[in-house]
Amino acid sequence: DAGVTQSPTHLIKTRGQHVTLRCSPISGHKSVSWYQQVLGQGPQFIFQYYEKEERGRGNFPDRFSARQFPNYSSELNVNALLLGDSALYLCASSLRDTNTEAFFGQGTRLTVV
Amino acid sequence: SQQGEEDPQALSIQEGENATMNCSYKTSINNLQWYRQNSGRGLVHLILIRSNEREKHSGRLRVTLDTSKKSSSLLITASRAADTASYFCATVIMDTGRRALTFGSGTRLQVQP
Repeated sequence: DAGVTQSPTHLIKTRGQHVTLRCSPISGHKSVSWYQQVLGQGPQFIFQYYEKEERGRGNFPDRFSARQFPNYSSELNVNALLLGDSALYLCASSLRDTNTEAFFGQGTRLTVV
Repeated sequence: SQQGEEDPQALSIQEGENATMNCSYKTSINNLQWYRQNSGRGLVHLILIRSNEREKHSGRLRVTLDTSKKSSSLLITASRAADTASYFCATVIMDTGRRALTFGSGTRLQVQP
């Protein structure tokens, strides 16, 4: 069984640009969450989607948006990139909500220059 | 903001020794989970303990939870070089509709061969 897959693995963008990160959950998992991890810190919650509906949003500006598709895959979009958006972006899937364990992908390393 | 805070921030031990790391949190929780992260990659779920449980074991891992003190500890017995990683506690908060994991800042464990 394939785990959670994220693409791309690495990305370099210029300030002001837009970026789209993609995530495919484990087959059968309906919940996808996104986290941002800045170097040296723990992951910070950005969004959760369950059954294609937004279930939660962390303390991130409106430049961050996401969606979940009918096949439960998900995209995270960030507009007007800032240097401070440089981080590892992690996607996690779980069967239902986060009372069950979350399975993380390997992340997308975004560098904004 | 961080819900959980791990202590110590860094720990260096010899192979075969036990490693203990602690986590404190601020608000009532539904459950607490421990994750491992190798070299800035994806997180791996280690163990979940529910708020009505006090202790849980999984292989060489032992987790305790004290809800009165709002704290948890992770014990790794007979450590191995392969245990070198960052360890994070994560909580699912009860009093919000948002079902997201809130991570601490992590403990960086170095196991010397």
